[in-house]
Amino acid sequence: GQQLNQSPQSMFIQEGEDVSMNCTSSSIFNTWLWYKQDPGEGPVLLIALYKAGELTSNGRLTAQFGITRKDSFLNISASIPSDVGIYFCAGQLRGKSTFGDGTTLTVKP
Amino acid sequence: DTEVTQTPKHLVMGMTNKKSLKCEQHMGHRAMYWYKQKAKKPPELMFVYSYEKLSINESVPSRFSPECPNSSLLNLHLHALQPEDSALYLCASSRATGTSGYEQYFGPGTRLTVT
Repeated sequence: GQQLNQSPQSMFIQEGEDVSMNCTSSSIFNTWLWYKQDPGEGPVLLIALYKAGELTSNGRLTAQFGITRKDSFLNISASIPSDVGIYFCAGQLRGKSTFGDGTTLTVKP
Repeated sequence: DTEVTQTPKHLVMGMTNKKSLKCEQHMGHRAMYWYKQKAKKPPELMFVYSYEKLSINESVPSRFSPECPNSSLLNLHLHALQPEDSALYLCASSRATGTSGYEQYFGPGTRLTVT
């Protein structure tokens, strides 16, 4: 099946710093989704990307759909303590979503 | 409103019990999903319903039985589970499925413990 490589696996940053994470695949996807999950809760959709090359922002978050359709990145600017959590990318193809293994973000005040 | 609700929030069941998980959405979405998530792992797709018909079963054991009574409701019936089935069970919905991608919205999950 399709697999996504999400990196980094974890990040420890200082409040105010910018963060970047990415997902790559050997397969093409039609859609990329980025989620944030807090412990014991369901994933919350942050950004959805539908076209190769698309760059979309949601507040301090910016994500891009790679030109090859095999990758995507998420940037968080000026991190704050509530950004702590696990961030998942998901690539969609023919109605199925494949998730990356997640990036665990820790923000030190 | 992008809310998907799930009940119960927590469930503890023995290996001989029969229980059901419930999921509801009122966004007019025609696709609904069940995922299983183990600790520190990504969600794993179990089932997809499209227009109230089962369209994808990811080779899930028959002790998990999904049901979609109508376009707003999704159930997961559990019977004779094993301790390794303990996990967070997530429901999600999207406007549809198909070659075009759709935003998928998740519920808060049911934390299932099998004893």
